[in-house]
Amino acid sequence: GDSVTQTEGPVTVSESESLIINCTYSATSIAYPNLFWYVRYPGEGLQLLLKVITAGQKGSSRGFEATYNKETTSFHLQKASVQESDSAVYYCALANTGNYKYVFGAGTRLKVIA
Amino acid sequence: GALVYQYPRRTICKSGTSMRMECQAVGFQATSVAWYRQSPQKTFELIALSTVNSAIKYEQNFTQEKFPISHPNLSFSSMTVLNAYLEDRGLYLCGARDLGSQNTLYFGAGTRLSVL
Repeated sequence: GDSVTQTEGPVTVSESESLIINCTYSATSIAYPNLFWYVRYPGEGLQLLLKVITAGQKGSSRGFEATYNKETTSFHLQKASVQESDSAVYYCALANTGNYKYVFGAGTRLKVIA
Repeated sequence: GALVYQYPRRTICKSGTSMRMECQAVGFQATSVAWYRQSPQKTFELIALSTVNSAIKYEQNFTQEKFPISHPNLSFSSMTVLNAYLEDRGLYLCGARDLGSQNTLYFGAGTRLSVL
């Protein structure tokens, strides 16, 4: 079946340091998966951070970047310099084009310390 | 912008009773609504997909008899957890989509259900 595996949290990073949260996927029933990163801040819902629908392309938002790598089936989330306000739970997800049936990873809790 | 509100945010019900949760889309037309559940220590599971004027599609392990959904218009959807038991506890998320957003879902903050 389709699945998403991401870095197991919690991940603790000092402010201004770099971050990478790994995400790999398996899309056995989806020919052209769309890939997403969602973020959930405490007490809030899931917010779309970035999405990429074409293999080989990079998405970016709020200093975060992720490249859709079809060869390695990966969509790692990176940020060069994190801030305390980035503390949240990050979810990697995939979906079929035009389909809103998402498959989510388990989530990675990020804690940024001053 | 597109916003999705869910209420109540938290609720507690006695084992064997039912609980209704609501989802309101603001700023766009929610042609499709997806209901998810995150059980403790698990990721989000899709319960069902609802599209206005179409049949609601339930995922395996979820049924209309247990989780009836109403999606009467383009701004509102509700789901009821009937006869709730301990295994039904968790965070229920509503994700809504409009025609212009391709397959991007906008999520509410969720309804957290506890069962005593």
